[in-house]
Amino acid sequence: DAKTTQPNSMESNEEEPVHLPCNHSTISGTDYIHWYRQLPSQGPEYVIHGLTSNVNNRMASLAIAEDRKSSTLILHRATLRDAAVYYCILRANTNAGKSTFGDGTTLTVKP
Amino acid sequence: DTGVSQDPRHKITKRGQNVTFRCDPISEHNRLYWYRQTLGQGPEFLTYFQNEAQLEKSRLLSDRFSAERPKGSFSTLEIQRTEQGDSAMYLCASSSGQGARFEAFFGQGTRLTVV
Repeated sequence: DAKTTQPNSMESNEEEPVHLPCNHSTISGTDYIHWYRQLPSQGPEYVIHGLTSNVNNRMASLAIAEDRKSSTLILHRATLRDAAVYYCILRANTNAGKSTFGDGTTLTVKP
Repeated sequence: DTGVSQDPRHKITKRGQNVTFRCDPISEHNRLYWYRQTLGQGPEFLTYFQNEAQLEKSRLLSDRFSAERPKGSFSTLEIQRTEQGDSAMYLCASSSGQGARFEAFFGQGTRLTVV
């Protein structure tokens, strides 16, 4: 599976936007970009996913570079409840069961 | 629908004992996945089912591990002769349809401690 690279940690102030980057230079044409987040002692929670176009949902926005080699998860107004580990993963459309998680980005939100 | 349910949430066992975990996916989700997660690491894929068929197993899944999904509904993961290295969070996820355009929903996990 193609790999993703994320910063180990990021900090944000409450009520400010947060941009979480992800590099995936070896992405293939059929790979979907998925984002999950995980709170301590909880299972990962789905956030958003996309293929080529930018995506918006009630939780976040996903901006995908034109060459698809990078993407950015955007939290428009960070809250204390957004503090979590955020994982960017690639899921091959031909083998969607085998998602490879990296170590993610630990987001700290300061009040 | 209450989401993906895993039981038990916590399990402490002595080395050498067998343990079994259960996962109830979201109803009508035909895909079910098992992952293992150790402290500070991301989840690692173990195996997945399409309905009752086990379609792929990771090399992480040694002979001591077995997973089943009878009738394509709930799934069990059994670890025989547990070792201290098996201590981890075991996560179950389910999704509908085929392909990566469908999101997966995770359960809360079963934390296993082998003493």
